[in-house]
Amino acid sequence: AQRVTQPEKLLSVFKGAPVELKCNYSYSGSPELFWYVQYSRQRLQLLLRHISRESIKGFTADLNKGETSFHLKKPFAQEEDSAMYYCAPPNNNDMRFGAGTRLTVKP
Amino acid sequence: GAVVSQHPSWVICKSGTSVKIECRSLDFQATTMFWYRQFPKQSLMLMATSNEGSKATYEQGVEKDKFLINHASLTLSTLTVTSAHPEDSSFYICSARDDRPFTEAFFGQGTRLTVV
Repeated sequence: AQRVTQPEKLLSVFKGAPVELKCNYSYSGSPELFWYVQYSRQRLQLLLRHISRESIKGFTADLNKGETSFHLKKPFAQEEDSAMYYCAPPNNNDMRFGAGTRLTVKP
Repeated sequence: GAVVSQHPSWVICKSGTSVKIECRSLDFQATTMFWYRQFPKQSLMLMATSNEGSKATYEQGVEKDKFLINHASLTLSTLTVTSAHPEDSSFYICSARDDRPFTEAFFGQGTRLTVV
């Protein structure tokens, strides 16, 4: 069963514009949520995790249990943010990723 | 941060031969490893999950006799593509994590397999 949904496969914004990458999950337990990023020709790497409520490269993500969402946000997108973003499945032992969202930040 | 090393980075093999891809966790104990296949500009497709010392759990549609996975130690998992055919050409990625809660997975750099 699909555990995580990223409704937008492609997202394009201009530099300096706000950006929000959506992620909705379905899980009956306590979710362990992460965002991963894959820059061009690089390996996937962790961007941030919900448990630490951190801000990495200007990105934040708030866990909304009522809406079962973990949207990724950045107030001012930069060109170097262009990448593939994956919201990880909420069960850390079930690593079936969703489709991901390809973000393009135009100059 | 933790490092996962995947080897080789690329390989070309003849149709009908077998190819082994290694995935090593360099500084942590990888109790669980995951193998993915990624097509150009697409998401990762999970092929199998392996726990150290146990048989791998394959995703539906993935032939376990074709994609042999061994996870014999806490730092090494291997994927062997047996009797490779051109349609097996793809980018294969491994990831690993330990068993602590709320810890992320670490990914290898991937292996580009081309079967000619």
